[in-house]
Amino acid sequence: QKEVEQDPGPLSVPEGAIVSLNCTYSNSAFQYFMWYRQYSRKGPELLMYTYSSGNKEDGRFTAQVDKSSKYISLFIRDSQPSDSATYLCAAGFNYGQNFVFGPGTRLSVLP
Amino acid sequence: SAVISQKPSRDICQRGTSLTIQCQVDSQVTMMFWYRQQPGQSLTLIATANQGSEATYESGFVIDKFPISRPNLTFSTLTVSNMSPEDSSIYLCSVESQDNYGYTFGSGTRLTVV
Repeated sequence: QKEVEQDPGPLSVPEGAIVSLNCTYSNSAFQYFMWYRQYSRKGPELLMYTYSSGNKEDGRFTAQVDKSSKYISLFIRDSQPSDSATYLCAAGFNYGQNFVFGPGTRLSVLP
Repeated sequence: SAVISQKPSRDICQRGTSLTIQCQVDSQVTMMFWYRQQPGQSLTLIATANQGSEATYESGFVIDKFPISRPNLTFSTLTVSNMSPEDSSIYLCSVESQDNYGYTFGSGTRLTVV
């Protein structure tokens, strides 16, 4: 079993839809969780990070961590064509140490 | 956040040759990280490079294949040695962000070995 699993997609949604992206992880000791967005031919850029369980909101993006089920989610409200990218989740023990990345979900938001 | 310049952005190389990838950061950083991103697979950490000491390699990666230099706090290189088609991948350098607990990545080097 991989440490962080993620449905690779592709996922296509119409503009304005609510998008739900999900990851599961296997190591219950993970405490830090991140979501990155990667446009084609670019490096990943950090969208959100969370510590332990709970929700975190930033504009149209909400990150959610459920440590009891080892499940992390990213919700995108009012999705835009500019949100079309690959979204990578990552989990780790401590900031500054090796984070384990999921393979990414490719999202297309259709105008 | 730090700005990372990585080059080359892409290259096509003959098997058996070596390619050196450069990573320049616009601020001083303690640790720099080198990742490999294979198609459809997770970002995988190759090694962590600290200035003034040997790089620390992750399981499955060795110094003879991926030698790393870190001559100062703003620069690092990764060499992919004696390349084979299996080394075709995207290679990325990364540093810890100073302001948001995340990591900043370079734009990557897309390597194709023929």
